[in-house]
Amino acid sequence: GENVEQHPSTLSVQEGDSAVIKCTYSDSASNYFPWYKQELGKRPQLIIDIRSNVGEKKDQRIAVTLNKTAKHFSLHITETQPEDSAVYFCAASTDGDDKIIFGKGTRLHILP
Amino acid sequence: KAGVTQTPRYLIKTRGQQVTLSCSPISGHRSVSWYQQTPGQGLQFLFEYFSETQRNKGNFPGRFSGRQFSNSRSEMNVSTLELGDSALYLCASSFSGTAYGYTFGSGTRLTVV
Repeated sequence: GENVEQHPSTLSVQEGDSAVIKCTYSDSASNYFPWYKQELGKRPQLIIDIRSNVGEKKDQRIAVTLNKTAKHFSLHITETQPEDSAVYFCAASTDGDDKIIFGKGTRLHILP
Repeated sequence: KAGVTQTPRYLIKTRGQQVTLSCSPISGHRSVSWYQQTPGQGLQFLFEYFSETQRNKGNFPGRFSGRQFSNSRSEMNVSTLELGDSALYLCASSFSGTAYGYTFGSGTRLTVV
């Protein structure tokens, strides 16, 4: 069945540096890829998403890139700040289908 | 607009008891999904309901069950609680069951003692 693999499981970066989290998906029909951020003790919240007809999307310090041929997509966070420390989940779904498949999450630590 | 509301926020139960958790989706959302999240773990999918019907089910024992009402509110029940059932239970709602607009509630933290 559909599978989403997410790497790394844990990532530590110095404050101000960039962080990259990568995901691969198995279903070539997937066409919507959201990213969720879960801060400690809180609910996962959507931070950015991308559709398969777009290769890249940016929102301030956050960007997502998509490579449909290779079936992978990545989250890029630039100029990291302490408040970026959280668990990040990638996901994949297909319009018209009723499933969303999540990756296992990446715990991001921003070091002072 | 109001978000996804889960009640109660915290719950302590004794092993062997049963528990019912509630999830009220965003107005107009007809799909409700439930997840179990244990410390350090990802989002383990339990099941999804759409228009009062269970459409998808994860890999959990039959002790975990759910239902959805005509107003789209959903309940999840766990019978014969085990210590390993201690977790954060999250529900998420969306309009059509696809990921667009998928919104999580704040969760119910269940502790089994």
